[in-house]
Formats: sequence, structure tokens, C-alpha cells
Amino acid sequence: QKEVEQNSGPLSVPEGAIASLNCTYSDRGSQSFFWYRQYSGKSPELIMFIYSNGDKEDGRFTAQLNKASQYVSLLIRDSQPSDSATYLCAVGSGGYNKLIFGAGTRLAVHP
Amino acid sequence: NAGVTQTPKFQVLKTGQSMTLQCAQDMNHNSMYWYRQDPGMGLRLIYYSASEGTTDKGEVPNGYNVSRLNKREFSLRLESAAPSQTSVYFCASSESGGSNQPQHFGDGTRLSIL
Repeated sequence: QKEVEQNSGPLSVPEGAIASLNCTYSDRGSQSFFWYRQYSGKSPELIMFIYSNGDKEDGRFTAQLNKASQYVSLLIRDSQPSDSATYLCAVGSGGYNKLIFGAGTRLAVHP
Repeated sequence: NAGVTQTPKFQVLKTGQSMTLQCAQDMNHNSMYWYRQDPGMGLRLIYYSASEGTTDKGEVPNGYNVSRLNKREFSLRLESAAPSQTSVYFCASSESGGSNQPQHFGDGTRLSIL
């Protein structure tokens, strides 16, 4: 059974701080990694994807991938209250783009 | 540009009733997916269609059927609804079936089975 694990949270950070969200996965053959943001009652929204080891930056977001250790993380710099949401980690597994989703980490950014 | 459109947005059914959830995408994507999301369990794949004319089971297919009507539309049918199928259902699409393609989601259907 291929698994993706995330701490459910809530992760509480003050406004302006760096939020660090982590995800581990069990399938060593996984090649693609995605971060989705989901506001309460809304649908998942893609914010980052990464395929290679190392860091990938997009604005205030940085995705980090370490395939040897089987973890992927998302850093949010200068966190804002509008970043408060559940963040879903998804790992590409299988030949037909079947994504395995973690249960998500709830982030709360307080003023 | 609507992206992925799901209908209805909300539905209440009685046990044993049937219904079809509709999904359409206007991004010319080849692959489409149906997920359910339950509290604390993340998104679980019910069925997917890698391309027009093909469908395959995902992680939790029991109690559901699907139809890929054409390239744009992918419907999910509950033949005899059960309370365990109370959930939020999301349809998604991706450009192709390759494992590095991101999926884009519709707004979801909130389904309650009494």
C-alpha cells in the first residue's frame, strides 16, 4: 500500500513567520510531487510541483524534495492570515498519473 | 474559462436511490478522475479515465460506476446509494496520463445519504 503521510496539525504560526509543512512517502519509485492548498469548503488548488531533488521557488513558496530520504516539504515565507488553509501533499504513483494524497496539514496564521 | 465544472453542487439522497454526478472540462485535457474526500482521510481515487474511451478502477470503486461520455465529460453514478457514500466528491482533469502532469479540480459535489 503506497502511503503519503502528513502531520494533521494545526500548525500555528504568527503573521510574517516562515511556515514549514512536511510530507513523507513510501514509494521509492515516485517521480512527481505536488502541493495543493484547500480552503475550508473549497476545492484543492495547485500551488507548487517539483520533480527533481533540491529546492524550487515560486514567490513566497519553496518546495524542497529529498528522494533519498523520501520527503518533500513546503516553506511559506512571510506567512499571511490568507495562507490559513489545509495543505495537501500529493505524490505521483503509477503509469497513469494516479496521485496519492496525504490527509493534509491545517495551517493557521495568526495576526 | 470555466476549467472543471461539476453538477450538482449539493444533493441529499435517501438510501437506495440512484443518481449521477456530472463533470465537464473545457481545457482539452485527456485524463479525468473522480475522488471522494472524507474528514481525516484525504482524497481517495474512485475511478479514472486516462483517455477518451477508457476507464479504470481506483482505490475505492465499490458502489460506483463511471462513463467517459466524450473527451470533455466524465460522469459518476451511484446505483443504490448507501450512508457510507456520504462524502464530498471532486472531479479532476489533467493534460495527459503521464505521472508528472498536475491535476485540476472542480468545485466539488457535497452528497448526503440519509
